[in-house]
Amino acid sequence: DQQVKQNSPSLSVQEGRISILNCDYTNSMFDYFLWYKKYPAEGPTFLISISSIKDKNEDGRFTVFLNKSAKHLSLHIVPSQPGDSAVYFCAASAVSNYQLIWGAGTKLIIKP
Amino acid sequence: KAGVTQTPRYLIKTRGQQVTLSCSPISGHRSVSWYQQTPGQGLQFLFEYFSETQRNKGNFPGRFSGRQFSNSRSEMNVSTLELGDSALYLCASSPQWPSSYNEQFFGPGTRLTVL
Repeated sequence: DQQVKQNSPSLSVQEGRISILNCDYTNSMFDYFLWYKKYPAEGPTFLISISSIKDKNEDGRFTVFLNKSAKHLSLHIVPSQPGDSAVYFCAASAVSNYQLIWGAGTKLIIKP
Repeated sequence: KAGVTQTPRYLIKTRGQQVTLSCSPISGHRSVSWYQQTPGQGLQFLFEYFSETQRNKGNFPGRFSGRQFSNSRSEMNVSTLELGDSALYLCASSPQWPSSYNEQFFGPGTRLTVL
């Protein structure tokens, strides 16, 4: 049972436009969410996180939105840059077991 | 500060063999977590060690085990390898436990192929 789902395996966006990556979850116990990005042949690197007591968190070009009632979060990248081309993972955690549960990832391609 | 290092980077084994993977965390980090990533899948949590104690274990068979040393370096062992164990094994370090509520710093991974 996939508790964290990223339904778009890939996304192509024009440079300078907004990239929106989506993530859905099923476990209502999740209370902390993180986004990581991964380049080929490298480990994931942390991007941004959000606690369930918030509905938005911003860090530079990156903004994460959380809709608890819909069990949905999204990552907005504005403006998109060529270096943003990578695989993006969302992950969720709950105090019930402290295990980080990951989505399958979305490959973002930024077109020049 | 040096990043997380994992050795070896690539490994080829045959079914039934065992394998040991090594991870050196960032200096000062006491938490080390291990993940398995298979093609098209997200990372699957294996276990987390903090101050030499296993604090958390994912849903993997007992063939998967690990340990952490007093210098925070960690090893992961897989015994009686199966074809399905072929994967990228990632190690991540964090200054605090639980790492799932903190930023984790990942190594480049060990690519294990089981023939």
